[in-house]
Amino acid sequence: KQEVTQIPAALSVPEGENLVLNCSFTDSAIYNLQWFRQDPGKGLTSLLLIQSSQREQTSGRLNASLDKSSGRSTLYIAASQPGDSATYLCAVLSGTYKYIFGTGTRLKVLA
Amino acid sequence: DAGVIQSPRHEVTEMGQEVTLRCKPISGHNSLFWYRQTMMRGLELLIYFNNNVPIDDSGMPEDRFSAKMPNASFSTLKIQPSEPRDSAVYFCASSTDREATEAFFGQGTRLTVV
Repeated sequence: KQEVTQIPAALSVPEGENLVLNCSFTDSAIYNLQWFRQDPGKGLTSLLLIQSSQREQTSGRLNASLDKSSGRSTLYIAASQPGDSATYLCAVLSGTYKYIFGTGTRLKVLA
Repeated sequence: DAGVIQSPRHEVTEMGQEVTLRCKPISGHNSLFWYRQTMMRGLELLIYFNNNVPIDDSGMPEDRFSAKMPNASFSTLKIQPSEPRDSAVYFCASSTDREATEAFFGQGTRLTVV
């Protein structure tokens, strides 16, 4: 059974810092991994999608890497801003094409 | 496309009442997912449809929960009878059923059972 874990559970940093959020999964037989952002009381917004054959994806200040063999992914946020404050969730697509989510990292960037 | 559309956005109901949540997936997507989000358990997959057929309903908590997808553009999640512990945010998501697929989520329905 696929299990997804995210650390840290919460993170508070001053504006401008570079951040690393971690995601680990127990079954390396995944099709892809997706990072989402969730603002309070809102839905999930897709940030980056990494295929199982890829090592990383970049979008603006965000970079996500994937090491499938070790069951790990990291989301790197460069030069953090207060607007980056949100919960970040990773999800793996595996098995019968269903997404399993991690528990999320609550990020607060202080001005 | 307007994205995944869920209704209602908020629902407050009394214990024992029937609740129906609705979802319209993105046109052309053939996979649809229902998730429940709570503080204690995070995002849990309840049921997954592919081409309108339920593929995996192992996450449906009990017989009080049922889901249908009568056509490619509409799905419902029904709770009957509702209980206070069903209070949560229910999300619907859609995608294509290929490895390169990306999941798109609706804004969710916040359900409160009193």
